Amino acid sequence: DQQVKQNSPSLSVQEGRISILNCDYTNSMFDYFLWYKKYPAEGPTFLISISSIKDKNEDGRFTVFLNKSAKHLSLHIVPSQPGDSAVYFCAAKDQGAQKLVFGQGTRLTINP
Amino acid sequence: DTGVSQDPRHKITKRGQNVTFRCDPISEHNRLYWYRQTLGQGPEFLTYFQNEAQLEKSRLLSDRFSAERPKGSFSTLEIQRTEQGDSAMYLCASSLGSGRVTDTQYFGPGTRLTVL
Repeated sequence: DQQVKQNSPSLSVQEGRISILNCDYTNSMFDYFLWYKKYPAEGPTFLISISSIKDKNEDGRFTVFLNKSAKHLSLHIVPSQPGDSAVYFCAAKDQGAQKLVFGQGTRLTINP
Repeated sequence: DTGVSQDPRHKITKRGQNVTFRCDPISEHNRLYWYRQTLGQGPEFLTYFQNEAQLEKSRLLSDRFSAERPKGSFSTLEIQRTEQGDSAMYLCASSLGSGRVTDTQYFGPGTRLTVL
């Protein structure tokens, strides 16, 4: 069963605009959520995270929002830049567990 | 930059051969993780170590797979009698192991395995 889902395989956004990537989860025991960015032939790079005790975390151009009642999180990138073009993975961790559970990824393309 | 390193970056082997991958974590990181990623999917957890102790193994880690972390530093992942279904990117990650919820995992560049 897919506990973390990214329902949009791809997203195309114009440079300078806002990119919004979405992620849904089913396991209510998840208490820590992360976003990773991945370029081809490289490993995932940590981007930003949020604990379940918060509903928003911001770091420069990146903001993650968590809606626990809807079991939904989103990553906002503003303004979007060409270097943001990559595959973005949402991941979650269960209370007391160490493994990360990943979504399938969303390929973001920023058009000039 | 002393990030997570993995060796080799690419490995092509014939079905039935054994392969071994190495991962060097970020220094001072006590936890080390192995994941596998296939095309179009996110990484899937295989196993993790706290220092030299292997504390959890996924059902994905069949009997043909074995991982070690002697002395709690680098780790090796061995696949015996490789099958075509083993073709994937094998990712290693490490974390401080602080015991806190916010213990972030940092990934290496991965080893891409192709089994012919």
